[in-house]
Amino acid sequence: GDSVTQMEGPVTLSEEAFLTINCTYTATGYPSLFWYVQYPGEGLQLLLKATKADDKGSNKGFEATYRKETTSFHLEKGSVQVSDSAVYFCALTGTASKLTFGTGTRLQVTL
Amino acid sequence: DAGVIQSPRHEVTEMGQEVTLRCKPISGHNSLFWYRQTMMRGLELLIYFNNNVPIDDSGMPEDRFSAKMPNASFSTLKIQPSEPRDSAVYFCASRQQGFTGNTIYFGEGSWLTVV
Repeated sequence: GDSVTQMEGPVTLSEEAFLTINCTYTATGYPSLFWYVQYPGEGLQLLLKATKADDKGSNKGFEATYRKETTSFHLEKGSVQVSDSAVYFCALTGTASKLTFGTGTRLQVTL
Repeated sequence: DAGVIQSPRHEVTEMGQEVTLRCKPISGHNSLFWYRQTMMRGLELLIYFNNNVPIDDSGMPEDRFSAKMPNASFSTLKIQPSEPRDSAVYFCASRQQGFTGNTIYFGEGSWLTVV
């Protein structure tokens, strides 16, 4: 079945550092890929998505490119802020129409 | 436009009591999902509906859990009897079915504590 693997956390960075959170997937067919973010005490919000190979999703300075050849959708941001501290989830929807999530990566940004 | 609305936001109940969580999906969305989040198991899909019909309930942990969707604008997740290990955040989510790229929108969650 479908699965998503993302890097273990927590990730601790200083403000203005470069962020990469790795995400790889296994799915049949052509899934759509998503990054969701969860701030403390809140629900999940869509951060960005890509629906076909080589698409780049972007939002709030975050980017991720759908790489079918490496089955990856790594999340990047050039300069993180303290307000980016949250848990980030990589996810996909395949033929089953449901979201399959990775385990989440906690990001802590310090001054 | 209102998002996915869940109630109650927080519930503390005693073991053995019945718990009912409620969800109103986004208007026009015809797929609805119930997820559970715990520290140990992360995000788990419990059940999802398309056009009010349950499609996959393989994630429902046991017979104590049941979910219904009597119409397109309302769903319930019931736990009877509740146990301490049911303590978790329960999320309802909805989307417009038809394209895998359609975004799934989440509610704020129902934070359940069973003591």
